[in-house]
Amino acid sequence: GQQVMQIPQYQHVQEGEDFTTYCNSSTTLSNIQWYKQRPGGHPVFLIQLVKSGEVKKQKRLTFQFGEAKKNSSLHITATQTTDVGTYFCAGQGYSTLTFGKGTMLLVSP
Amino acid sequence: DGGITQSPKYLFRKEGQNVTLSCEQNLNHDAMYWYRQDPGQGLRLIYYSQIVNDFQKGDIAEGYSVSREKKESFPLTVTSAQKNPTAFYLCASSIGLENYGYTFGSGTRLTVV
Repeated sequence: GQQVMQIPQYQHVQEGEDFTTYCNSSTTLSNIQWYKQRPGGHPVFLIQLVKSGEVKKQKRLTFQFGEAKKNSSLHITATQTTDVGTYFCAGQGYSTLTFGKGTMLLVSP
Repeated sequence: DGGITQSPKYLFRKEGQNVTLSCEQNLNHDAMYWYRQDPGQGLRLIYYSQIVNDFQKGDIAEGYSVSREKKESFPLTVTSAQKNPTAFYLCASSIGLENYGYTFGSGTRLTVV
């Protein structure tokens, strides 16, 4: 079945440093979505990418979808303590979403 | 405000007992889902439903059952056949099955004692 791999599993940065998480699918995706889960909370939808090579920005967050629609990345510029949480990518094949295992981000002030 | 309500927030179950987790949404979404989350394992799909009175098994359906008698409700029963039921259970919904973001409930943390 479809597999979605996400790296790194964990990253600890100092406030103000940049952060990037990468997502790779074993199959071509119709779209990829990103979610954020704060500690003790539930996943919250951030964005969906549909087109090959698509780039979208949300303030300090930049999302990219690869040309082959099999990989994606989330980049956070100048992290803040409010960015703490686990970031999940989720790829859509022909039906439901398949989630990656997430990247846990810890930001030290 | 529209959203998804899961109850209870915490649940303790004795081994050998069935337990039902509630999930209600007032978003008028057609599709609903149940995921299980274990530390370091991400989210794994248990069951999903596209419309009332229809549901499909996900990747880890064994030991679980669901029903979809109403559009708003998608309860999950964890049966005694589930070997490792202790986990965080998340219910989600979306407008349709494809190309829509999911809205998640706040989850139910189930512990078998």
